[in-house]
Amino acid sequence: AQKVTQAQTEISVVEKEDVTLDCVYETRDTTYYLFWYKQPPSGELVFLIRRNSFDEQNEISGRYSWNFQKSTSSFNFTITASQVVDSAVYFCALNDDYKLSFGAGTTVTVRA
Amino acid sequence: DAGITQSPRHKVTETGTPVTLRCHQTENHRYMYWYRQDPGHGLRLIHYSYGVKDTDKGEVSDGYSVSRSKTEDFLLTLESATSSQTSVYFCAISESGPNYGYTFGSGTRLTVV
Repeated sequence: AQKVTQAQTEISVVEKEDVTLDCVYETRDTTYYLFWYKQPPSGELVFLIRRNSFDEQNEISGRYSWNFQKSTSSFNFTITASQVVDSAVYFCALNDDYKLSFGAGTTVTVRA
Repeated sequence: DAGITQSPRHKVTETGTPVTLRCHQTENHRYMYWYRQDPGHGLRLIHYSYGVKDTDKGEVSDGYSVSRSKTEDFLLTLESATSSQTSVYFCAISESGPNYGYTFGSGTRLTVV
């Protein structure tokens, strides 16, 4: 079975610090897709990024960046110069046959 | 103008009672999913649907049933609620399947007492 591991349960930082969320995955597929979702305190799940296994270029969107490394089966997420509004639970996910398989999530708390 | 709505948003029910959660979409997406979210487990798939009247089990389907009689509605039923089913339930939709990600509903917080 596919598997997604987010080893960090909780991360607490002070505003303006950078924070990196780790995501390690297992798959036997040669073509696959990885995702990050954000769940702010209000509870909804917000799509952040989708990356396919053939595109290993890092991606940057504002203060968010993603580092995809196929060699280590990792798809890490960095928030640069964190802000209080970044406080949320972040989920990494992998397409797994008929569904998305999610990691357990990392809770990020950004303190003012 | 949300394309996916869940009802109710909150519910408290007693052990042993039946409960039905509703997911309604206006996007005409083929795929619909029910997940539950629990601390330490992330989101786990309960059931999914790949078309009208086409449904299948996910990894935590015991104690749950689903129905999809029309494209826009996907119902999740707890036949006899138990305390272990206290959770937050999310519905998700996808036009083309999991490779393209999901759009999630706002969730239903269910408490079984």
